[in-house]
Amino acid sequence: RKEVEQDPGPFNVPEGATVAFNCTYSNSASQSFFWYRQDCRKEPKLLMSVYSSGNEDGRFTAQLNRASQYISLLIRDSKLSDSATYLCVVTGTYKYIFGTGTRLKVLA
Amino acid sequence: EAQVTQNPRYLITVTGKKLTVTCSQNMNHEYMSWYRQDPGLGLRQIYYSMNVEVTDKGDVPEGYKVSRKEKRNFPLILESPSPNQTSLYFCASSPETSGGAETQYFGPGTRLLVL
Repeated sequence: RKEVEQDPGPFNVPEGATVAFNCTYSNSASQSFFWYRQDCRKEPKLLMSVYSSGNEDGRFTAQLNRASQYISLLIRDSKLSDSATYLCVVTGTYKYIFGTGTRLKVLA
Repeated sequence: EAQVTQNPRYLITVTGKKLTVTCSQNMNHEYMSWYRQDPGLGLRQIYYSMNVEVTDKGDVPEGYKVSRKEKRNFPLILESPSPNQTSLYFCASSPETSGGAETQYFGPGTRLLVL
């Protein structure tokens, strides 16, 4: 079983739609959680950190469920510019474990 | 401008010819790391460094070496490259060594093809 698992997609959604991604992790001792965005084999860029209390940044909401060992990302009012691959990242002591990413395509 | 730089950005080489990919950051970050990204496998950590002269293996260290003689530089060395090391490589840095709790800043990537 992979340490961090994501549905690879693609998720094809129309502009304005709401879309949600989940990411599961296997190590209950994992310390920190992030969502990164990656455009077409460019460098990953931090989208947001994920906290137990949940956090929101504009149209993006991230949540952490430690009991069930998953994190989620919700994107509301999707824009064409949201088309990208979304990477889930889980950290342990000094190590970062990346999921393989979920590809999102927002269609006009 | 705060950034992580990598060189070269693109490299084609032949099996067995030693090469070095440089990585430099100007943010005074303590933690630096190398990843490779392959289709279907995502980013996998090769080596990381918590500070000068302190390095450790990630998940896929075989065939690679690193050094951290200065805080800003973290070169990746392939002593004898093989075709299975053809990949997209990213260097990253983060502010503190706090057990992985910090976000990372990535370089632009190096595309390596080993023939």
